[in-house]
Amino acid sequence: DSGVTQTPKHLITATGQRVTLRCSPRSGDLSVYWYQQSLDQGLQFLIHYYNGEERAKGNILERFSAQQFPDLHSELNLSSLELGDSALYFCASSPGPRDMDEQYFGPGTRLTVT
Amino acid sequence: AQSVAQPEDQVNVAEGNPLTVKCTYSVSGNPYLFWYVQYPNRGLQFLLKYITGDNLVKGSYGFEAEFNKSQTSFHLKKPSALVSDSALYFCAVRDRRNTGFQKLVFGTGTRLLVSP
Repeated sequence: DSGVTQTPKHLITATGQRVTLRCSPRSGDLSVYWYQQSLDQGLQFLIHYYNGEERAKGNILERFSAQQFPDLHSELNLSSLELGDSALYFCASSPGPRDMDEQYFGPGTRLTVT
Repeated sequence: AQSVAQPEDQVNVAEGNPLTVKCTYSVSGNPYLFWYVQYPNRGLQFLLKYITGDNLVKGSYGFEAEFNKSQTSFHLKKPSALVSDSALYFCAVRDRRNTGFQKLVFGTGTRLLVSP
């Protein structure tokens, strides 16, 4: 158990809908990263927050947004969902802002868009 | 641009035999290199990393990896495989140059299958 929690575990929704994925980092970790894992694209970095502030953006679509709250939990919002958004979404945390630190991954949220 | 390649989709090895999972990278400067493992229906788990110093890095569960700058490789090794090592292994790299945040780039993963 990495200490990173993600909810929900599974999510099934229809095209065009909006969903929110939630992540709680390990105790004491200030950085939260979001990743998307799909069969055709592999593991893709989406976005990184450190202590409430956005630090870096990766391959995140404009339909997707995220934030990190004062209690350090983070939410990833996915809107106008398309079939291709079906994937595993992982959250990871690390103690500081340095990306040389190892990241601790949550169990993921499996999103299925029908 | 930085990239990482895992040339084998799957590696098969018998229990008790040594295993190697290959990784090669491409960065403009010097790399930070990582290995992660993913068990079925689980998130990725950190195994080991190379930042600087000794080229041979020891990690969790008896795994080790050797950084080879001339061959731009960071192969994962274990002297004696266990059936429980069967999982998906990811190599990841980022360029060490301090040009602001650079995302960690993951390879496509190598499935390791250890047979009894």
